[in-house]
Amino acid sequence: DAGITQSPRHKVTETGTPVTLRCHQTENHRYMYWYRQDPGHGLRLIHYSYGVKDTDKGEVSDGYSVSRSKTEDFLLTLESATSSQTSVYFCAISESISGTLGNEQFFGPGTRLTVL
Amino acid sequence: AQSVTQLDSQVPVFEEAPVELRCNYSSSVSVYLFWYVQYPNQGLQLLLKYLSGSTLVKGINGFEAEFNKSQTSFHLRKPSVHISDTAEYFCAVSDQEDDKIIFGKGTRLHILP
Repeated sequence: DAGITQSPRHKVTETGTPVTLRCHQTENHRYMYWYRQDPGHGLRLIHYSYGVKDTDKGEVSDGYSVSRSKTEDFLLTLESATSSQTSVYFCAISESISGTLGNEQFFGPGTRLTVL
Repeated sequence: AQSVTQLDSQVPVFEEAPVELRCNYSSSVSVYLFWYVQYPNQGLQLLLKYLSGSTLVKGINGFEAEFNKSQTSFHLRKPSVHISDTAEYFCAVSDQEDDKIIFGKGTRLHILP
């Protein structure tokens, strides 16, 4: 299994508070991604990173920010959490976007976030 | 722009019966196609992938999928399902020019005893 951990695994917080989720990898993969999973919507990309300090927005980036200061860590921050951000958050990593691997992504175990 | 449509949100099937989960995609360039499986309360695992070459791709747990370029489809099949196949299945598409994957909304496979 790819070495990907997410912390915390579960979190309950209140509306308006800041929240940071951490994704840590031991695979030295270049690409890292944050998704949210909601019933009926599948996985939707929030933000992704294609290298240290290189990030870009996904389709549902409003209300979220990210940072990647080291290859192994990718942080997702909710500056002021809202109830609509209650979801399960998955981190994924990828070594390459083409060639023999295509863009095969490996997923972490997920973080279940509840915003009251 | 790429997109993925999984035509069924839920598929019930009897144990030991065959199953097909349907996936259609749209893309303007050569594609990479994936099927992922998510067991309850777990992350996603890769079942199989199509990058190039043979259009019939075999994956783990007895699953296979066929890439059909003319119909822009990548349907997932298994000849005989087991209770342990109960999960949600996601089809996904990417290409050589994009560093993102687009996921379908998922199909829940229910195995009936």
